[in-house]
Order: sequence, then C-alpha cells, then structure tokens
Amino acid sequence: DGGITQSPKYLFRKEGQNVTLSCEQNLNHDAMYWYRQDPGQGLRLIYYSQIVNDFQKGDIAEGYSVSREKKESFPLTVTSAQKNPTAFYLCASSSRDSESYGYTFGSGTRLTVV
Amino acid sequence: AQSVTQLDSQVPVFEEAPVELRCNYSSSVSVYLFWYVQYPNQGLQLLLKYLSGSTLVKGINGFEAEFNKSQTSFHLRKPSVHISDTAEYFCAVSGAPNDYKLSFGAGTTVTVRA
Repeated sequence: DGGITQSPKYLFRKEGQNVTLSCEQNLNHDAMYWYRQDPGQGLRLIYYSQIVNDFQKGDIAEGYSVSREKKESFPLTVTSAQKNPTAFYLCASSSRDSESYGYTFGSGTRLTVV
Repeated sequence: AQSVTQLDSQVPVFEEAPVELRCNYSSSVSVYLFWYVQYPNQGLQLLLKYLSGSTLVKGINGFEAEFNKSQTSFHLRKPSVHISDTAEYFCAVSGAPNDYKLSFGAGTTVTVRA
C-alpha cells in the first residue's frame, strides 16, 4: 500500500543537539511538507518542497533545515538553534493530479527535549 | 493568500446527537476546501474535500459538508455521532487550481459522551 512513513515515532533530544526526523513516501507525489503541531495552535508550516532539489521556508522555518535529494524523501533536521522544539511533527505529501488533490499525512513524530 | 477560521475550539456532544463544526474561509481567488480528522497521537486523515461541482460533499464515516460561496463557509455535519467520532477536526483551504499548499484552521475538538 502506498503511504508516508515517518520515523521515529518518539524522539528525545538533549539540549544543544541536532536531531533528524525521517519522512519517506511511495505515492510518487511531487510536493512534500513539514508541519509542527502544538496544543491549541493547529498546524504551522515549517518547510515545503514542490520538486526535487528545491524547497521553500514556511511560516516558522527558524531553527530547522531540510533537504530534498530524492523525490521519495524529505528529512527535517531540528537544530540547536530551535529554542522550543518539543512538539508533534507531521510530514505530508500532495499530488498535482486533480482527482487525488489534497494532502496525505504520515503518522507523526513526537519530539521531546530532555 | 487564503486563511481559515474554525469558529468553535471545543464541541461536546452526546452520542447519537447531530453535530456541526463551523468553518469560514477568506480568499480573493477560487478555493479548494478540505476537512481532516486527527485521532490522538496520529496523523491527519482526509474526511472530504470540495474541488468543484455539487456544493454538498459527502465524505467518510457519515460526514458531509456544504460549500457556501456567498457566506464563504464550509461547515461539517454528521446527523448522528458515535463515541468513536471523538477527535480533533481541521478545516483547510488552498487557492485553486495552482496553489497546492494548504492553510489549516486551529482545529475543533469534538468530545462525544454516552
């Protein structure tokens, strides 16, 4: 079955550490997205990529970095510059096909600073 | 740019009663509209979407929504809820047809009581 796989499901980060969240899709979608979710704040866009080797900052990109070397993969690195990284992170992908228009989401990674 | 306002942050409802979740959007262009559901510690799942055509859209799990262009609304309804409908619901909008990025509302938490 096609879908999006996020790993790990739970991640703990020490102060000053960089951590990388994995996102892989086998849907052949062109676009991929990273969102951060905090209680009561909905989803906030961190970065998105509409094509391989290209990506754009979202609304809250500071302290995060991404790469898009392959169509299937869009890893997110939470750097030590992100002062409040504890949150639930969601990856999504989308197709330009009008019949399947809309996002498909992964199951999320919960990051906690210890 | 498009934006979405979900008018209720929390909606308590008794089992087998009807429920309506309100969503208003703002946009200067044509829009695509979506409703997603999120169960605890999971990703978002698409309930239904409006791209064009009939303004009454039917989705999964007995949900439906009506697109009202004059009132810029896309309210979600279910005639009879179950305990399993307890979840958070997100309304989202994108600018049709070339803007694939979704803007999400803050979410509505539905709690179904026996």
